[in-house]
Amino acid sequence: KAGVTQTPRYLIKTRGQQVTLSCSPISGHRSVSWYQQTPGQGLQFLFEYFSETQRNKGNFPGRFSGRQFSNSRSEMNVSTLELGDSALYLCASSPTASSSYEQYFGPGTRLTVT
Amino acid sequence: GQQLNQSPQSMFIQEGEDVSMNCTSSSIFNTWLWYKQDPGEGPVLLIALYKAGELTSNGRLTAQFGITRKDSFLNISASIPSDVGIYFCAGISWGKLQFGAGTQVVVTP
Repeated sequence: KAGVTQTPRYLIKTRGQQVTLSCSPISGHRSVSWYQQTPGQGLQFLFEYFSETQRNKGNFPGRFSGRQFSNSRSEMNVSTLELGDSALYLCASSPTASSSYEQYFGPGTRLTVT
Repeated sequence: GQQLNQSPQSMFIQEGEDVSMNCTSSSIFNTWLWYKQDPGEGPVLLIALYKAGELTSNGRLTAQFGITRKDSFLNISASIPSDVGIYFCAGISWGKLQFGAGTQVVVTP
């Protein structure tokens, strides 16, 4: 069974631009969670989607948004990029809600904002 | 958010040594998970624990679900160079999933 895939793997953007990241969960998984990881900060939870509905949201500004499609694929969008948004963005999927089952992570998208 | 206390923050060990790390919390958890993250990659699930007192092994890795349900331990025996990376604990409790800050492991030959 294929694992979680994320595209693109690497991205360089300029301040003020917007970016969209994509995540395809493991086949059959309905929950997708997004995390931001920066050096020394660990995993910061962004949001979770389950059956196309946002279940939980972390403490991030409204510039960070996401959505989930009927095939469980998810996208994350960041508008008006800031230098501090440079990070590894990780997507994780689980069969049910992430709070009930272990999550499986993708390789991440490395975003660099210049 | 990260409400689990994971320690140590980092450790430098020699090849062949055993490694121990732990996570503690003031909250009770129903499930404990341990992940390993290689540089530039996403975390990979190593071990999942579902019952208080449970002891589970995966090769040279052994993890335990604390009796109080407030802590968990991960041991790596006879470390090898590819054990280098960041190890994260995660706890699932009553609808909430929380991650520790990670333990950076460096293995020297």
